[in-house]
Amino acid sequence: DAMVIQNPRYQVTQFGKPVTLSCSQTLNHNVMYWYQQKSSQAPKLLFHYYDKDFNNEADTPDNFQSRRPNTSFCFLDIRSPGLGDAAMYLCATSPRTSGRGYEQYFGPGTRLTVT
Amino acid sequence: EDKVVQSPLSLVVHEGDTVTLNCSYEVTNFRSLLWYKQEKKAPTFLFMLTSSGIEKKSGRLSSILDKKELFSILNITATQTGDSAIYLCAFYSGNTGKLIFGQGTTLQVKP
Repeated sequence: DAMVIQNPRYQVTQFGKPVTLSCSQTLNHNVMYWYQQKSSQAPKLLFHYYDKDFNNEADTPDNFQSRRPNTSFCFLDIRSPGLGDAAMYLCATSPRTSGRGYEQYFGPGTRLTVT
Repeated sequence: EDKVVQSPLSLVVHEGDTVTLNCSYEVTNFRSLLWYKQEKKAPTFLFMLTSSGIEKKSGRLSSILDKKELFSILNITATQTGDSAIYLCAFYSGNTGKLIFGQGTTLQVKP
């Protein structure tokens, strides 16, 4: 089945130790998104890629970086995680961003714990 | 500033009850409104609404959009414990090409 896959599902890292979260999709969608969702809050958009075109949100900290080496894969790098970065990280895809908009398909998420 | 407000923030009902969840929005370039269900994992897509007054239905769930009054409702009839989840409303902004999410309504359905 076509889907969005995230690895790992749970990640524990130490304060300041770099961590990489991965996302892959078999939907062949142009657009990939990374969201951060903290407990009892709505998902907050960090970045999105339209094909290889990278779009950073103005309030995304510099500590967060992203890479999209090809259509299927996207990575989220947290260079020096702080306790405040503990959250669920959601990857999503959609066919495109123009027009009336298209539903975004979410992966299962990676829950990051920072100790 | 574009925003989405959901109400109530939380709701507890018993199986068999009917619930109505509300979503109001203020946007400068509205394109569509989406509803998602989130259990202890990622959001799953329920509906996308673009036109006023046309009800979308899937089983016991239905939703409608009022573009004049700037709100949408999600109805769940004959609720079941499996309906317990956070229900997220989001609108798609034509200005930014992004989804703007509300805070969500946490629904708990008791047996």
